[in-house]
Amino acid sequence: EIVLTQSPGTLSLSPGERATLSCRASQDIRNNYLAWYQQKPGQAPRLLFFGTSSRATGIPDKFSGGGSGTDFTLTISRLESEDSAVYYCQHYDSSHTFGKGTRLEIK
Amino acid sequence: QLHLQASGPGLVRPSETLSLTCSVSDDPITSYTYYWAWIRQPPGKGLQWIGSVFYGGRSYSNPSLRNRVTFSVDTSKNQFSLQLKSVTAADTAVYYCAREVLQTYYHFDYWGQGILVTVSS
Repeated sequence: EIVLTQSPGTLSLSPGERATLSCRASQDIRNNYLAWYQQKPGQAPRLLFFGTSSRATGIPDKFSGGGSGTDFTLTISRLESEDSAVYYCQHYDSSHTFGKGTRLEIK
Repeated sequence: QLHLQASGPGLVRPSETLSLTCSVSDDPITSYTYYWAWIRQPPGKGLQWIGSVFYGGRSYSNPSLRNRVTFSVDTSKNQFSLQLKSVTAADTAVYYCAREVLQTYYHFDYWGQGILVTVSS
């Protein structure tokens, strides 16, 4: 089973800055079955990206996903207070696994 | 816009069976493109996929839970269900139902709001 390690655990940035969130896989992800979700307090997760870099419906282009192999990133530019959330990566390989999440705080 | 709503008891006693149902609105559950999934989140913790079921009844699940979970589908009601047996306090979590997209990178594109299930005597 592939393990996804997200870093940092918590990221604290100011409005207008850019956030880079990392998701590292324990083995090579050859099929690009890597997705990202945003979860705000008290809400269900919301899909941001699938297939590493395909933006889900309604997700603004300030969000971008990328990477390959074992290293994947979610980048959020022009940070706003509403971007405060926990972000999870997820992979499918006959079973689904999630990373433990990165908490993004906007100062 | 697809809408999913999980329902069931909010309190289950240890060793008993947790039973939840997810009602799907505005999209037929009988699609070859989707599975229907259960994902849970213990309080203050991360997400754990429980398993997914196809409308025809075929399913697959998390190896760590496989011997305790059962899934079912009621196409007449556009619902799918989860049963988790022999629960313990470790099964206390918010349980989400979600739509799993097949063929295009296997992800979860719609989620219900979730239901908190507490296991306690």
